[in-house]
Amino acid sequence: KNEVEQSPQNLTAQEGEFITINCSYSVGISALHWLQQHPGGGIVSLFMLSSGKKKHGRLIATINIQEKHSSLHITASHPRDSAVYICAVEAGSNYKLTFGKGTLLTVNP
Amino acid sequence: GAVVSQHPSRVICKSGTSVKIECRSLDFQATTMFWYRQFPKQSLMLMATSNEGSKATYEQGVEKDKFLINHASLTLSTLTVTSAHPEDSSFYICSALPTGAYNSPLHFGNGTRLTVT
Repeated sequence: KNEVEQSPQNLTAQEGEFITINCSYSVGISALHWLQQHPGGGIVSLFMLSSGKKKHGRLIATINIQEKHSSLHITASHPRDSAVYICAVEAGSNYKLTFGKGTLLTVNP
Repeated sequence: GAVVSQHPSRVICKSGTSVKIECRSLDFQATTMFWYRQFPKQSLMLMATSNEGSKATYEQGVEKDKFLINHASLTLSTLTVTSAHPEDSSFYICSALPTGAYNSPLHFGNGTRLTVT
């Protein structure tokens, strides 16, 4: 069973700061997902990656398969980025995800 | 973009009754949908994989007779919590995988908060 650990659990930042959220997992995977969960509970998929780096707007996700580690970066953070960010992994290309506990990000104006 | 509608968003029911939650892909077809559960301050947990036209596959520890899943069309999966008990109170959320999509992200519903009294 894959163990997915995220750090930090909680993160408070000032608007404009560069944010990094980390994710480590214990078993080899086929893909890693970064998700954003809004206060009401709805979830948006941010990235799905299996190697290297992806960028979308102010968001960047990287993964190091050898080290079993991924990071999510937010540049020029904004209060609207405040949400829970969840790392999830899949082992067998079947989209059956194992989730981390999430990182609660609060960006203050 | 691809939209998944989940209904209801909140439901309160009495112990012993059944509750049906719908997950609908609005602008794409989804042969496969997933159901998850999230207890307060806990990780999301995959409950089952819903496959159109066939039986759902349940994760270990999830009672298939208690959590009935029906995926009768390419755009709709339903989860029925039967004989609900207070310990079933949780946040339930679905996701859908566009049919034929490879290396495509999942599309999630907005979730259903179930309270059993």
